[in-house]
Amino acid sequence: DAGVIQSPRHEVTEMGQEVTLRCKPISGHDYLFWYRQTMMRGLELLIYFNNNVPIDDSGMPEDRFSAKMPNASFSTLKIQPSEPRDSAVYFCASSFDRGLGRETQYFGPGTRLLVL
Amino acid sequence: SQQGEEDPQALSIQEGENATMNCSYKTSINNLQWYRQNSGRGLVHLILIRSNEREKHSGRLRVTLDTSKKSSSLLITASRAADTASYFCATDEVYNQGGKLIFGQGTELSVKP
Repeated sequence: DAGVIQSPRHEVTEMGQEVTLRCKPISGHDYLFWYRQTMMRGLELLIYFNNNVPIDDSGMPEDRFSAKMPNASFSTLKIQPSEPRDSAVYFCASSFDRGLGRETQYFGPGTRLLVL
Repeated sequence: SQQGEEDPQALSIQEGENATMNCSYKTSINNLQWYRQNSGRGLVHLILIRSNEREKHSGRLRVTLDTSKKSSSLLITASRAADTASYFCATDEVYNQGGKLIFGQGTELSVKP
C-alpha cells in the first residue's frame, strides 16, 4: 500500500483565497483524521470521520474551515477565505478499528500551507 | 485537550548514549502509543503498549507503563544521529467514545555525532 496520500505537498496562497487540501487514506481503514501542526500550538486534531461520517469537529477553528468525506477513499479540508494565521502543516491520518480500541494511526506526509 | 504531557521538552545527547523520555496522562487508558516525527515529515508509529502490559521492547526501544502513576517512559538505547526527531506519546482514553487519540506536545531529541 502507498500509505496515506496528501496533496498538494506545498501550497502558497494569498489571504482571502480558497484553499483545498486533499487526502486519500489507506485502503480498508475506517477512520480518517485531519490535524494541524504549528510551532505555537503543536499538533491539533481538527476533525475526524468514521466510515465517512464526521464524528467530532470540535477542533475546527471556525466556520471558515470545512471538511468532507464523500467516500471511503477521499477526503477534503477546505479553508475559505484563508488568513495568514492558517499557515501551518496539515496532516491527514487514517486507522483501522480492530475492536480492541483505538489503534495505530498512519500519517500522511502533510501539506505545508503558507497564506500571505 | 492534550492529555499526554512529555518531559523533557527537549533533550540533547551524544551518539551512543541512552535517551529517556517520559509521558504523563490524566485518565484511564486502553493503550498508550509513541510516535516519532522527523523534521518536515508526518508522524510515524513506533510502539503501542496496552494498559495490562508493563513493559515492551522493539529493537532499541523500550517502553514502560505505570498505570498507577499514569505515566510511561520511552528509552532509546545506543542512540544514533538518525534518532534525532520529535517524539510524541498518544493515549487511547477508556471513556473516549470516539476513535481519536490524545497527543502530547512532544519531546525534541537531538543526538550529536
